[in-house]
Amino acid sequence: NAGVTQTPKFQVLKTGQSMTLQCAQDMNHNSMYWYRQDPGMGLRLIYYSASEGTTDKGEVPNGYNVSRLNKREFSLRLESAAPSQTSVYFCASSRLSNTGELFFGEGSRLTVL
Amino acid sequence: QKEVEQNSGPLSVPEGAIASLNCTYSDRGSQSFFWYRQYSGKSPELIMSIYSNGDKEDGRFTAQLNKASQYVSLLIRDSQPSDSATYLCAEAKRNTGNQFYFGTGTSLTVIP
Repeated sequence: NAGVTQTPKFQVLKTGQSMTLQCAQDMNHNSMYWYRQDPGMGLRLIYYSASEGTTDKGEVPNGYNVSRLNKREFSLRLESAAPSQTSVYFCASSRLSNTGELFFGEGSRLTVL
Repeated sequence: QKEVEQNSGPLSVPEGAIASLNCTYSDRGSQSFFWYRQYSGKSPELIMSIYSNGDKEDGRFTAQLNKASQYVSLLIRDSQPSDSATYLCAEAKRNTGNQFYFGTGTSLTVIP
């Protein structure tokens, strides 16, 4: 029962480098999400994908791009990393229904030097 | 203004006491609310969901929703040291798909 799988779990980047966080879910969920979590800030929505083929901005989309590759996979790309993007990133998925809850991956800790 | 506001605590209660966690939300049209628990270094896990006015009980946990006051709460009865964690309140907006917005979380410590 894998649920939501994120890779990598840890990453250190230098300012200006690019990287992609990968996320896959095996629960046949329609909707997928990327959040970042910073101390004292809670979880903030970066981008979400309501269904395959659609993506929308959340609260803090600047500096990020996403791709919904298929129903299972949703990736988050940092084109030119900045120290302000140092954070813990969580991918999540949910059913598309009025009672759908979020299921989270284990998180990816990213440090930008 | 954040969609969801929580008193960030920290909150400390003795073992066996009732812990009360509170949350307010700004969108009167929001329909679905969730409480997640997050242990240090771990991902959030769902402990309660509530969709209609009133109380919903599950074991030692009771969620309360008051749509008129735009207020959601979580009561933990007979608190245990294992309940020590950060509790996150979330609302789901049903626009294009489900957008979930979280509060900043309340840190709870249960003292043995």
